[in-house]
Amino acid sequence: GENVEQHPSTLSVQEGDSAVIKCTYSDSASNYFPWYKQELGKRPQLIIDIRSNVGEKKDQRIAVTLNKTAKHFSLHITETQPEDSAVYFCAASMGTGNQFYFGTGTSLTVIP
Amino acid sequence: GAVVSQHPSWVICKSGTSVKIECRSLDFQATTMFWYRQFPKQSLMLMATSNEGSKATYEQGVEKDKFLINHASLTLSTLTVTSAHPEDSSFYICSARDGTRLSNEQFFGPGTRLTVL
Repeated sequence: GENVEQHPSTLSVQEGDSAVIKCTYSDSASNYFPWYKQELGKRPQLIIDIRSNVGEKKDQRIAVTLNKTAKHFSLHITETQPEDSAVYFCAASMGTGNQFYFGTGTSLTVIP
Repeated sequence: GAVVSQHPSWVICKSGTSVKIECRSLDFQATTMFWYRQFPKQSLMLMATSNEGSKATYEQGVEKDKFLINHASLTLSTLTVTSAHPEDSSFYICSARDGTRLSNEQFFGPGTRLTVL
């Protein structure tokens, strides 16, 4: 099955700085890569996603890049704010209706 | 739209008893639902994929006789933890796909915290 690795496991940045989280996947058949934000004790919330036919996607302060050849994708958060503090998970999926395999998570702390 | 609820939000039970967790899609038809388990400060581990009207597909290492999944309608899937033991204590989260959309997106429930004494 798919194996998703995520780094770093913890990340602290000063408010206003950028944060980058990286994931790698093992199965070249994966073609959908969502990123979720989870606050303590709450449900994961989708923040951005990317499909394999696109190399980059941006939504305001959040962007995701995908390198299919290297099988890795990254989340970029610019101008970080304290409310960005949470655990972020990447995931990989092989398409519509298929399972998500999650990375191990990154605990992001934005220091005011 | 695309709201998923879970019930109960938390449950405490004695070792050896069974616990049922419900996952409902409130405003869409969920042809596929997924069950995850999340231990403290760890990732979401997929347990099984549940398709309406058919048997669930379990991930390797997940005991199907211990974690019974039923997806009897397009809006409801249940997970029953049978003969629960303290090591089953965890946060159980379901997610659902909207079968009317081509989107890959899964919508997550708020989770159920199970504590087995």
